[in-house]
Amino acid sequence: KNEVEQSPQNLTAQEGEFITINCSYSVGISALHWLQQHPGGGIVSLFMLSSGKKKHGRLIATINIQEKHSSLHITASHPRDSAVYICAVPVTANFGNEKLTFGTGTRLTIIP
Amino acid sequence: ETGVTQTPRHLVMGMTNKKSLKCEQHLGHNAMYWYKQSAKKPLELMFVYSLEERVENNSVPSRFSPECPNSSHLFLHLHTLQPEDSALYLCASSHYGDSGELFFGEGSRLTVL
Repeated sequence: KNEVEQSPQNLTAQEGEFITINCSYSVGISALHWLQQHPGGGIVSLFMLSSGKKKHGRLIATINIQEKHSSLHITASHPRDSAVYICAVPVTANFGNEKLTFGTGTRLTIIP
Repeated sequence: ETGVTQTPRHLVMGMTNKKSLKCEQHLGHNAMYWYKQSAKKPLELMFVYSLEERVENNSVPSRFSPECPNSSHLFLHLHTLQPEDSALYLCASSHYGDSGELFFGEGSRLTVL
């Protein structure tokens, strides 16, 4: 079964700083998900990627399949980016999104 | 707005009560999920329904009873819960079995007294 580790657990930064959140997993996968959870509890899917790099606005996600590692970057961070960022991967290589293992999340706080 | 709607958003119930959580999606997805998120713990998959058939029951106690009457609606019936069942319950939907995106609801925060 896949184990997912995220780092750091908590991150506080000044507005405008470049942010990096890391995710490592133990078992080969078909795709990795990055999710954002706001204080109210709702979760939004940010990225689903299986190779290389994806960019959406100020958010960039990269994945290295061989090293079983992914990073989420935020450029020009803003207080509205404050949230918990969660990495999720299929529980084994035989599964897709129907059975995911989730990281414990990285709580990001951006100070104005 | 993700297209997945959960009600109620907050629920307080006693240990002897019976209540239900509701989830609705009109995204054309064929799979719906219940997840539990307890404080300081990762999301845990509870149930998966594909085409209204339960395909996963992740060792969830029988005091939680899911129901999927059609591909757009999912319920979680709650009875004789324990205080440790207090958590955020999240519904999600997707296309089953691929690596596509999951769409989550806003969650139902449950407090069991």
